[in-house]
Amino acid sequence: GQNIDQPTEMTATEGAIVQINCTYQTSGFNGLFWYQQHAGEAPTFLSYNVLDGLEEKGRFSSFLSRSKGYSYLLLKELQMKDSASYLCAVRLSGNTPLVFGKGTRLSVIA
Amino acid sequence: DAMVIQNPRYQVTQFGKPVTLSCSQTLNHNVMYWYQQKSSQAPKLLFHYYDKDFNNEADTPDNFQSRRPNTSFCFLDIRSPGLGDAAMYLCATSRDAPVGIGEQYFGPGTRLTVT
Repeated sequence: GQNIDQPTEMTATEGAIVQINCTYQTSGFNGLFWYQQHAGEAPTFLSYNVLDGLEEKGRFSSFLSRSKGYSYLLLKELQMKDSASYLCAVRLSGNTPLVFGKGTRLSVIA
Repeated sequence: DAMVIQNPRYQVTQFGKPVTLSCSQTLNHNVMYWYQQKSSQAPKLLFHYYDKDFNNEADTPDNFQSRRPNTSFCFLDIRSPGLGDAAMYLCATSRDAPVGIGEQYFGPGTRLTVT
């Protein structure tokens, strides 16, 4: 089976930096996606990594190490609106659907 | 704006009474997906269409069916809803990965309650 692990919950302070980790053991790999999901809403796409290294997009960055089966999402200058679940998802091959982790619920506190 | 639309946003049905959820998209994406998501759980893929080709996940119950009459529309039919089928149902679309990165675009979801 496919296994994608993320911490269940995290709490961080407004203005701080938080790193959300994701490890995966899957039968294939053709890209890793991060999605943000506010309570009761649909997931929205944040970032994509297919090669090793860091991808930066404004306050959000995502890192991938394929040899370690590891990714992280880095959120800088946290804002209250960043309180949400963050889903890590892996595409196994070609155009196959994504396999999602259970998500990390991030609470940003003042 | 181009988007993925789901109707209704909230659906209440009775135990055993068939229900249909709908999804439409203006993105002209060739792949459409249906996911079931229960509280604090990962979205669980039920099935997806690659163009007109239907792909059912092995563990999707027979109680769940789908139709895609054209590129823009996709329906989820639950023939005899049980209490365990209460969940958020998410529709998503994507383009072939060779065109862009193939990220999925999600609709707002339909929250199904079974009484």
